[in-house]
Amino acid sequence: DTEVTQTPKHLVMGMTNKKSLKCEQHMGHRAMYWYKQKAKKPPELMFVYSYEKLSINESVPSRFSPECPNSSLLNLHLHALQPEDSALYLCASSRTSGGRTPPTQFFGPGTRLTVL
Amino acid sequence: AQKVTQAQTEISVVEKEDVTLDCVYETRDTTYYLFWYKQPPSGELVFLIRRNSFDEQNEISGRYSWNFQKSTSSFNFTITASQVVDSAVYFCALTSPEAAGNKLTFGGGTRVLVKP
Repeated sequence: DTEVTQTPKHLVMGMTNKKSLKCEQHMGHRAMYWYKQKAKKPPELMFVYSYEKLSINESVPSRFSPECPNSSLLNLHLHALQPEDSALYLCASSRTSGGRTPPTQFFGPGTRLTVL
Repeated sequence: AQKVTQAQTEISVVEKEDVTLDCVYETRDTTYYLFWYKQPPSGELVFLIRRNSFDEQNEISGRYSWNFQKSTSSFNFTITASQVVDSAVYFCALTSPEAAGNKLTFGGGTRVLVKP
């Protein structure tokens, strides 16, 4: 089972709203990732969690706040976003992260976010 | 620094034609891993193949085949007898044990449109 699920599929929010994106995997993976993908561009890494600890933050603005409550769940809390933050947000997971044999990352279906 | 170049931004073919997607990479690492992902209009990145730098064997999986040539730093992907369901954006990606968090470096993607 190589499934990563994400909710919601679509989200429209105003610049003053607070919302959260959720990601879940039940593959026993210990690394989880958030990516942002703008139209006609490749995914850009935002955050990496390894064993439920934040290991990489790619200089993401503080209006994006990640959280990893347990090894299966990953949240992305959104607050005071800008219209340019509208994008597809992808979650991924892998067995581990940062080792000598990079594992394969498996992606979820994404959340299409529109900020008005 | 690592870099992946997919020179073809868009390829249009008629069903049953073969299509080859080019991927050229740059890395100073002697050990590295290459991947191909498919992104259909639904948005999810679907893992297709992984290849490490020590394994130059070409691979065939159904209508898909991959040609890895270290001498030219290329990892090309061919779809034989294309079908409408192959319409998607295809990304080539690279990582290595030296990349922080095994971060994936993506190419710009190639959009494949298969017409009936």
